[in-house]
Amino acid sequence: NAGVTQTPKFQVLKTGQSMTLQCAQDMNHEYMSWYRQDPGMGLRLIHYSVGAGITDQGEVPNGYNVSRSTTEDFPLRLLSAAPSQTSVYFCASSFGLAETDTQYFGPGTRLTVL
Amino acid sequence: DAKTTQPTSMDCAEGRAANLPCNHSTISGNEYVYWYRQIHSQGPQYIIHGLKNNETNEMASLIITEDRKSSTLILPHATLRDTAVYYCIVRVGGSQGGSEKLVFGKGTKLTVNP
Repeated sequence: NAGVTQTPKFQVLKTGQSMTLQCAQDMNHEYMSWYRQDPGMGLRLIHYSVGAGITDQGEVPNGYNVSRSTTEDFPLRLLSAAPSQTSVYFCASSFGLAETDTQYFGPGTRLTVL
Repeated sequence: DAKTTQPTSMDCAEGRAANLPCNHSTISGNEYVYWYRQIHSQGPQYIIHGLKNNETNEMASLIITEDRKSSTLILPHATLRDTAVYYCIVRVGGSQGGSEKLVFGKGTKLTVNP
């Protein structure tokens, strides 16, 4: 299994540009989520999904859209990038939300918005 | 906000045990204690979790006080590769509200010295 994969690894955008961060997992996990991590900070939840066709907002959802058309993929869209969205983005997945369901994180996407 | 308090940084000699404390004085009866670590800006990695009993796995041991207001993560024989930021997180499990996210604080930066 490849686990949780994220593309691209690095991205530079100009203010106002749009882009999609890709996240995929091959573990047949129902739960997937997106976090952002700013320098010196812990991770903050952006959006999450408990299964295909179901998404919900996390702690910091503004400026981001998500969809979950398949179990494997959970892309994160920035519709109009802003410098405040400069961050490292991590995707995570788990079988479910039970206390024994370990969350696996991807390697991250480092995004800079100029 | 994170419901845990951890020291900002700690040092440990290679081969010695690393004991990382965590305070979670407001923990609820249905919340579990989880530990994750993040090595050099990689995605967080699950270490261990527990409810009220002490737990041990191949990576570490988790000691939870009887009143559950604090816990200690023990890495029995720390190596240089254990240098990382360690996060202590409390979370409800299962289908209870709030189980969808891990609330990360700033964690403890553990440096293992040769």
